[in-house]
Amino acid sequence: RKEVEQDPGPFNVPEGATVAFNCTYSNSASQSFFWYRQDCRKEPKLLMSVYSSGNEDGRFTAQLNRASQYISLLIRDSKLSDSATYLCVVNYGQNFVFGPGTRLSVLP
Amino acid sequence: NAGVTQTPKFQVLKTGQSMTLQCAQDMNHEYMSWYRQDPGMGLRLIHYSVGAGITDQGEVPNGYNVSRSTTEDFPLRLLSAAPSQTSVYFCASSRPGGSGELFFGEGSRLTVL
Repeated sequence: RKEVEQDPGPFNVPEGATVAFNCTYSNSASQSFFWYRQDCRKEPKLLMSVYSSGNEDGRFTAQLNRASQYISLLIRDSKLSDSATYLCVVNYGQNFVFGPGTRLSVLP
Repeated sequence: NAGVTQTPKFQVLKTGQSMTLQCAQDMNHEYMSWYRQDPGMGLRLIHYSVGAGITDQGEVPNGYNVSRSTTEDFPLRLLSAAPSQTSVYFCASSRPGGSGELFFGEGSRLTVL
């Protein structure tokens, strides 16, 4: 079993749609949680950290359930520019562990 | 702001050749790491360092060496390239403790024939 698993995707959604990504992790000692965004043939960049109480950044909402070892990302009112691969990232100790990513295509 | 700089951006090698991927950061980050990214696999950690003179293995270290003689530089050496090392390589750095944001270089695309 991979340490971090994500919806396989791809997700193809129309502009304005709401889309949710799911992520599960296996290491209960995980300490920090993030969502990264990676555009095609580019480096990953931090989208947002994920806190236990849940957090929101504009159209993006992240949730963490430590008991279920589950992380989610909700994107509301999707824009064409949201098209990218979304990476779930878990940190424990010294290391960051990346999920395989879920590709999103927002269609006009 | 340079951030994390990787060179070269592209490289083609023949099987058995050796080469070094360079990585430098100007943010005074203690933590630096190398990942490889393959289709469907996500990013996998090769080696990492928590400070000058300290390195450790990640998930897929075989065939790669690293050193950390300064805080700024963290080169990745391929000792004898194999086709299985064809991949995109990313260097990343972070503030002390590794719990902060990872800053990535633009990546190095390596093809081994």
